[in-house]
Amino acid sequence: DQQVKQNSPSLSVQEGRISILNCDYTNSMFDYFLWYKKYPAEGPTFLISISSIKDKNEDGRFTVFLNKSAKHLSLHIVPSQPGDSAVYFCAASSNTGNQFYFGTGTSLTVIP
Amino acid sequence: NAGVMQNPRHLVRRRGQEARLRCSPMKGHSHVYWYRQLPEEGLKFMVYLQKENIIDESGMPKERFSAEFPKEGPSILRIQQVVRGDSAAYFCASSPTIGGNQPQHFGDGTRLSIL
Repeated sequence: DQQVKQNSPSLSVQEGRISILNCDYTNSMFDYFLWYKKYPAEGPTFLISISSIKDKNEDGRFTVFLNKSAKHLSLHIVPSQPGDSAVYFCAASSNTGNQFYFGTGTSLTVIP
Repeated sequence: NAGVMQNPRHLVRRRGQEARLRCSPMKGHSHVYWYRQLPEEGLKFMVYLQKENIIDESGMPKERFSAEFPKEGPSILRIQQVVRGDSAAYFCASSPTIGGNQPQHFGDGTRLSIL
């Protein structure tokens, strides 16, 4: 039962352009959504999060947008840099934080 | 380095043996989560523990798997009588408090290979 889905396994973007990573979820009870970045042979590292009561959160080059009616969120990276090349995971949780549900990841390649 | 420490980084076991995976959370963190990542898949929640207590183990297989987080020492994920399907990367994460908005700090994982 995949409650969080990332339907694009991979994405390639030119350096300097915008990267848009998408995530869909099925459980309308989720309260928080988080994005993690993962390099090979390392653990995920937290990037940015958003509460379900907001529709946008921005941190530097990273912006997350939430569309609750569509149960969809996206991560925008602009401008994209080669160091952004990694696998990006979307995650969701209820307010309690007992469980976090992760998507299958999108592998981003930023081409110099 | 005060990050989440997992050991061993790589573990090879033969079918039927036991595997023990260790996780030392970040200093000051009393909440520990274990995840499993199968090849080509995302991270799947297994269990959430606080010191000496299992809070949520709904993601753990019913048999052969167990976890603990003792008062002293690291959290341990134990897999008994391993099978080929247990081959995966196992990640531990910790956080200082509980809550859905609390980012988790991950270790670099243990890659378990079953021969």
